[in-house]
Amino acid sequence: DAKTTQPPSMDCAEGRAANLPCNHSTISGNEYVYWYRQIHSQGPQYIIHGLKNNETNEMASLIITEDRKSSTLILPHATLRDTAVYYCIVRPRWSGGSNYKLTFGKGTLLTVNP
Amino acid sequence: DAEITQSPRHKITETGRQVTLACHQTWNHNNMFWYRQDLGHGLRLIHYSYGVQDTNKGEVSDGYSVSRSNTEDLPLTLESAASSQTSVYFCASSESSDRGKTQYFGPGTRLLVL
Repeated sequence: DAKTTQPPSMDCAEGRAANLPCNHSTISGNEYVYWYRQIHSQGPQYIIHGLKNNETNEMASLIITEDRKSSTLILPHATLRDTAVYYCIVRPRWSGGSNYKLTFGKGTLLTVNP
Repeated sequence: DAEITQSPRHKITETGRQVTLACHQTWNHNNMFWYRQDLGHGLRLIHYSYGVQDTNKGEVSDGYSVSRSNTEDLPLTLESAASSQTSVYFCASSESSDRGKTQYFGPGTRLLVL
């Protein structure tokens, strides 16, 4: 599996956009980028995923560079409730096998300040 | 609404005792997973199952066992609890398809082994 590198912590002001970077320079062509987050004392929560195109849903946007070696998760208007650890995970596209495991790194602690 | 639940939410036990943590999901997902989370280690995979009667070891499976007798449940058993197994345990489930990379997590069980 491709390794990911994330900054250990970031701060963001409430109401501003939070941009969380992830480096995955060894990613291969059939690997997706997934983002999860974990709010304190809760289970991880799926946010978004993408292969090579930028993606947007009701929670966030995912921007993947053209060479796919890095990506950025964008929370457009961060709130205090977005304070959490954010995990960037790279996993192979489902190939008909049974390899659905997720490998979590240490993630980025995003602190949204009032 | 479909959900994934864990019980108990908190457990205190003594060294050497057998402990079973329950995980129940109502999404009819084939895939189920158990993780533990410790400070400084992030989430680590203990065991996982891709269907009834299927179980597989994760990266930290020593001292743990699972069995899958139906789709909805994957109980995690600590055969002889050790202090090193004090941790927060999370159960997760996912579909058996390309969307199977999206795992849905339970609220967690905090286990203290004295």
